[in-house]
Amino acid sequence: GAGVSQSPSNKVTEKGKDVELRCDPISGHTALYWYRQRLGQGLEFLIYFQGNSAPDKSGLPSDRFSAERTGESVSTLTIQRTQQEDSAVYLCASSRGVLAGVDTQYFGPGTRLTVL
Amino acid sequence: GNSVTQMEGPVTLSEEAFLTINCTYTATGYPSLFWYVQYPGEGLQLLLKATKADDKGSNKGFEATYRKETTSFHLEKGSVQVSDSAVYFCAFMNRDDKIIFGKGTRLHILP
Repeated sequence: GAGVSQSPSNKVTEKGKDVELRCDPISGHTALYWYRQRLGQGLEFLIYFQGNSAPDKSGLPSDRFSAERTGESVSTLTIQRTQQEDSAVYLCASSRGVLAGVDTQYFGPGTRLTVL
Repeated sequence: GNSVTQMEGPVTLSEEAFLTINCTYTATGYPSLFWYVQYPGEGLQLLLKATKADDKGSNKGFEATYRKETTSFHLEKGSVQVSDSAVYFCAFMNRDDKIIFGKGTRLHILP
C-alpha cells in the first residue's frame, strides 16, 4: 500500500556533516514536493518537481540544500554541511497532478532531522 | 484518532462574494491550527495560523478564529477576488510536531 514513504524516519547528525533524505512517492504521481517544518512553526515549502524537473527552487533556504528526482519516482533531498538551524521535520508529498494546486497532495510521515 | 475535516470542493463563487470554508478537527490537547494555500503551479504556503483558543489568525483579508468549544477553525473572507482561486488546506499540529492536513478545498472565483 502505497502511500508516500520517507526514509530515514529519524536522523541525528553532527554539525558540518552531509545528510540525504529520501522520498518514495505514490506510484504514478508526477508531482513531488518537499517541505520543512521547524519546531513550533508551520510548514515551509522547499522545492517542487514536475516529473524529473524542478520548475520552482525558490524555497531552498541556501545553496547547502539540493534535491533531485530520477525516473519520475524517488527523490533525494541533500543537505550539505548541516547547521543546527537545519533541525526540523522534512516532509515529502506527491500528487497526480500535471498542474499543481489542482490535485490533492498526499503526505509522507516525514523525516525528523536533529543536528547536534 | 487525530483528523481534520474540511468542506469538499470545488467551491465556485463570483468575485466580491463572501467566502466560508469550514474546518473541524479531532485532536488531543491544544493543537496549533493552520490554513495553507496552494496557488496553481506553486507549493503550499502558510496563509494564517492560531496557537490558542479564541486567537484569530488573519492575512490577505482572510480570517479564522480558533474555537475550542466547537473544535473548529473556519476560514472566511469578506470579498473574494479572482486571484484567490487556489486550493486551501486546513491543518493542525500537536505537541509532537506532527502536522495533520485536511484533504483540501479547491476554490474557483469567477470574474
